[in-house]
Amino acid sequence: LAKTTQPISMDSYEGQEVNITCSHNNIATNDYITWYQQFPSQGPRFIIQGYKTKVTNEVASLFIPADRKSSTLSLPRVSLSDTAVYYCLVGDVGFSGGYNKLIFGAGTRLAVHP
Amino acid sequence: DSGVTQTPKHLITATGQRVTLRCSPRSGDLSVYWYQQSLDQGLQFLIQYYNGEERAKGNILERFSAQQFPDLHSELNLSSLELGDSALYFCASSVGQGEGNTIYFGEGSWLTVV
Repeated sequence: LAKTTQPISMDSYEGQEVNITCSHNNIATNDYITWYQQFPSQGPRFIIQGYKTKVTNEVASLFIPADRKSSTLSLPRVSLSDTAVYYCLVGDVGFSGGYNKLIFGAGTRLAVHP
Repeated sequence: DSGVTQTPKHLITATGQRVTLRCSPRSGDLSVYWYQQSLDQGLQFLIQYYNGEERAKGNILERFSAQQFPDLHSELNLSSLELGDSALYFCASSVGQGEGNTIYFGEGSWLTVV
């Protein structure tokens, strides 16, 4: 299973764009890259998922270079409510179905200031 | 609301006791995952079930056990409880078939061992 490395913490201000980069040098061919957001005492919430190039949804964009050894989560115009821990996961979707041993790293604590 | 339901939301029990945490996955999801998150700690993968069968095991203690029933709900049994078992226990579910599965988390069960 590919190991991921993210910055431990980041600070930003309201209205700014935040980019959180995740390194996953040992990503395998079948691996997808998924990002989750977690607020204190709540379950992680799915943000975005991608395999290659760029994916965009209503809350974020995910940029994945051609070698797929890293990925960048981009949060446009953050607000105070975006203060949370963000996890990057690289999942092995095997034939058995679903993710096996989906391992969360330490995540990135994003603090958004007024 | 992720669609994953966990009960109870809060539980206080004494050391040496046994508790059962229950999880109902999202409708149609075949995979169930259990995670433990201690105060200020990351999410620790415990175990995964797929359509009633154990699929993957993480750092789950021998005092802990789980199962997934024919109706796909799951239970996590924690026995001989210790103070260090106090944590937030999350259940998650996914469809478990095809590529790029997303797992969805419940809101967790707070266990306090006194």
